[in-house]
Amino acid sequence: GAVVSQHPSRVICKSGTSVKIECRSLDFQATTMFWYRQFPKQSLMLMATSNEGSKATYEQGVEKDKFLINHASLTLSTLTVTSAHPEDSSFYICSARNIIGNQPQHFGDGTRLSIL
Amino acid sequence: RKEVEQDPGPFNVPEGATVAFNCTYSNSASQSFFWYRQDCRKEPKLLMSVYSSGNEDGRFTAQLNRASQYISLLIRDSKLSDSATYLCVFGPDSGGYNKLIFGAGTRLAVHP
Repeated sequence: GAVVSQHPSRVICKSGTSVKIECRSLDFQATTMFWYRQFPKQSLMLMATSNEGSKATYEQGVEKDKFLINHASLTLSTLTVTSAHPEDSSFYICSARNIIGNQPQHFGDGTRLSIL
Repeated sequence: RKEVEQDPGPFNVPEGATVAFNCTYSNSASQSFFWYRQDCRKEPKLLMSVYSSGNEDGRFTAQLNRASQYISLLIRDSKLSDSATYLCVFGPDSGGYNKLIFGAGTRLAVHP
């Protein structure tokens, strides 16, 4: 079964709305979670690395005030797209690393965001 | 030069065919290598890691060529269910625990 849960799976909203996406690790603790974005027919691009209890690390070109990340617990990270516009429409995917052991990242099932 | 380059395809093959994909990477410091599979409008799922000595998992064989900086994926006896986009993925650390660099994917369509 899924080990990383992402919610919601689909969002359609008006321009100017802020949208919050949750990423939860279900049966493990994750000090680090990653947020990716994928536009159609393009590769997943890392937006930011979310660290529990500290500020997220953003990739070059990603506006931290636009994409707010909060990683308040070892099982939950949230990404808020503030004042979303049509160009923010994309597939957002999170992944999480288990704090224990040498295990690969587990991906959530993604959130498809459509801004009208 | 792009960090990762893959032929986007699509590769249209009949059931039972053998098909191979290559993927080149530009960062010679890459330490971990993977093939992921992504179905339409779904999240990527790890297919297999790629090791220096090459590795096999059932019908799937992965190879790494560090000198030429590419990885390959061979699929034997293709099934309809193999139809998907195959992403090559690289990481700066040996376990792929941190930042992963994704290729845009190669589309495979297996037909009856």
